[in-house]
Amino acid sequence: DAGVTQSPTHLIKTRGQQVTLRCSPISGHKSVSWYQQVLGQGPQFIFQYYEKEERGRGNFPDRFSARQFPNYSSELNVNALLLGDSALYLCASSVFLAGGQETQYFGPGTRLLVL
Amino acid sequence: GQNIDQPTEMTATEGAIVQINCTYQTSGFNGLFWYQQHAGEAPTFLSYNVLDGLEEKGRFSSFLSRSKGYSYLLLKELQMKDSASYLCAVSGNNRLAFGKGNQVVVIP
Repeated sequence: DAGVTQSPTHLIKTRGQQVTLRCSPISGHKSVSWYQQVLGQGPQFIFQYYEKEERGRGNFPDRFSARQFPNYSSELNVNALLLGDSALYLCASSVFLAGGQETQYFGPGTRLLVL
Repeated sequence: GQNIDQPTEMTATEGAIVQINCTYQTSGFNGLFWYQQHAGEAPTFLSYNVLDGLEEKGRFSSFLSRSKGYSYLLLKELQMKDSASYLCAVSGNNRLAFGKGNQVVVIP
């Protein structure tokens, strides 16, 4: 079975540009979450989407936005890029079990470098 | 708010046992996860605790005490491939809150 896929794998942008990252969840998973991981730190939560609705938003500026499509894939958009946005962007998909339990499975990530 | 605390690095010998601790303070709690992350790769799921006690999965075991806000991951019979960062994450409020990770270096 295919796991979570993300594209592109690597990306180089300059300050002020905009970027779109893409994620396809595991088949049957309806929830997608986005995380930012800078070197030496744990992943930081950005967004969670379930059934195309935003369920959670982390402490990130409005330059960060996301959406989920009818096939449950998702895009993360970052506008007006800053040097500090350089990081590994992780997508995780999950399915909610009875009782509200979920386990998140991560994709390989997109490594973004802002120059 | 959420605060997840882990020690930063430890070195252990092949074949040994290592315990990685995690303490947390969170406003919502649905469970605690442990992930393994090799350098340059995505985190991979290791274990999940929602109730107090020990969960054992092969060479890896994880313990949770909700009243103490404490968990540990126990790695037995260490192998060189276990050299990685081990991330503790608390599930709650529709998100995972991660600690900074504990870098384990396994030496021959």
